[in-house]
Amino acid sequence: KAGVTQTPRYLIKTRGQQVTLSCSPISGHRSVSWYQQTPGQGLQFLFEYFSETQRNKGNFPGRFSGRQFSNSRSEMNVSTLELGDSALYLCASSFTGPSTGELFFGEGSRLTVL
Amino acid sequence: KQEVTQIPAALSVPEGENLVLNCSFTDSAIYNLQWFRQDPGKGLTSLLLIQSSQREQTSGRLNASLDKSSGRSTLYIAASQPGDSATYLCAVGYNNNDMRFGAGTRLTVKP
Repeated sequence: KAGVTQTPRYLIKTRGQQVTLSCSPISGHRSVSWYQQTPGQGLQFLFEYFSETQRNKGNFPGRFSGRQFSNSRSEMNVSTLELGDSALYLCASSFTGPSTGELFFGEGSRLTVL
Repeated sequence: KQEVTQIPAALSVPEGENLVLNCSFTDSAIYNLQWFRQDPGKGLTSLLLIQSSQREQTSGRLNASLDKSSGRSTLYIAASQPGDSATYLCAVGYNNNDMRFGAGTRLTVKP
C-alpha cells in the first residue's frame, strides 16, 4: 500500500516568489491536512481538506492557501514568500480527519527562502 | 487554550533501559491522542493511536496510556535500542478536526 507522497522534497525560492507543494494521500483517504514545522514553533496546523472542502484552517495569513481535487490529491500555495516561511511542510492523510482517525504523514517538502 | 506539553525536551539513556515519555494537555475534551516518531529531516511515523474511550494501547515494546481526567499520556518504551533514537511527538485531536502537537522529546539511546 503506497504511503503519502509529497513533491517536491526540496526547493529553494527567493523572497517575493510563490511556491506550490503537492500531496497525494493514501488511496481511499479523503482527508488531507497540512502542517508547517520550524525549529522555533514546532508543528503548526495550516488547514485540512475533506472531499474538496476546507473544513478547518489554522492561524496563518492569507498568503497560505490550499485546495483539494476530486481524486483527493491536495496542493498548498504560498504567495509572496518571506524568509520566515522557510520550513518543513508536511501533509498527512486519514480516512475521516486528523482528530478522529489515524494520521499518516508524508516525508515533507523542505522549503528554503533566500 | 488547547496546549500540549512534552517533558522532558531531551533524554539520553543507555541501551537496554526502560523509559517513559510524558505528554500533558490542558483541554481534556479530546477525541484521540496519537504518538509519533520523527527521524531527522523526515516525516512523522505513527506509533500508537488511543481513542478517548481507551486507557492504553500496546505495540511491541511500546505502550501508551491515556488519563483524560488528569490531562496526561505516557509513552513507555521497554528495553530501549539505539534504533529508537528519534524525536517523539504526541498529538491531541479535538473537535473540528483540530490537532495540537507537542514540541517533542528528543531521545538518544547510547550503545
